[in-house]
Amino acid sequence: AQSVTQLGSHVSVSEGALVLLRCNYSSSVPPYLFWYVQYPNQGLQLLLKYTSAATLVKGINGFEAEFKKSETSFHLTKPSAHMSDAAEYFCAVSRPGGSYIPTFGRGTSLIVHP
Amino acid sequence: DARVTQTPRHKVTEMGQEVTMRCQPILGHNTVFWYRQTMMQGLELLAYFRNRAPLDDSGMPKDRFSAEMPDATLATLKIQPSEPRDSAVYFCASGLVENTEAFFGQGTRLTVV
Repeated sequence: AQSVTQLGSHVSVSEGALVLLRCNYSSSVPPYLFWYVQYPNQGLQLLLKYTSAATLVKGINGFEAEFKKSETSFHLTKPSAHMSDAAEYFCAVSRPGGSYIPTFGRGTSLIVHP
Repeated sequence: DARVTQTPRHKVTEMGQEVTMRCQPILGHNTVFWYRQTMMQGLELLAYFRNRAPLDDSGMPKDRFSAEMPDATLATLKIQPSEPRDSAVYFCASGLVENTEAFFGQGTRLTVV
């Protein structure tokens, strides 16, 4: 079985401040991990993914995430928030090989204040 | 620009009516997912196809929902009869097993009154 837990349904930051969105996973095998972003009335778009290569993964729009096996975490960060980063962010886990199916967390809404 | 296309984008229907949602996956992709998104439940997997064969539909209410892939360019999700609790945004996504990531369509917002 696999699952993800996103800590905090809402995160509020000021423009220019550090963004930190938390994700912890549970998986019986080494996982693949993903962060997706969803803008209003849009589908989900892949930000970045971890597939057992480098533990620090860089994605689009200046986001990055670090895979920490000892902490079973895959937190998403961005050094400086921009107003356009306001969106819903989803962490997802899947299992390499076999019938992989991404399992999504409940999402974290990022609010950026001017 | 390859993308997953879903139709219709919005659908309002009366309780008891049949609803069909359509999805055109990205050409060459061999996996298709149907997800339902609600405020209460978040993103729920309804069905999963690989090479057009249904591999997992355990999340789908079998008595009223059905999912098919008549060919590689079309996936359908049907609800018959529809109920107000089916109101949600339904997403189709496609991908390649080798790459693991899923590419999402823009969704169909279904309202059952």
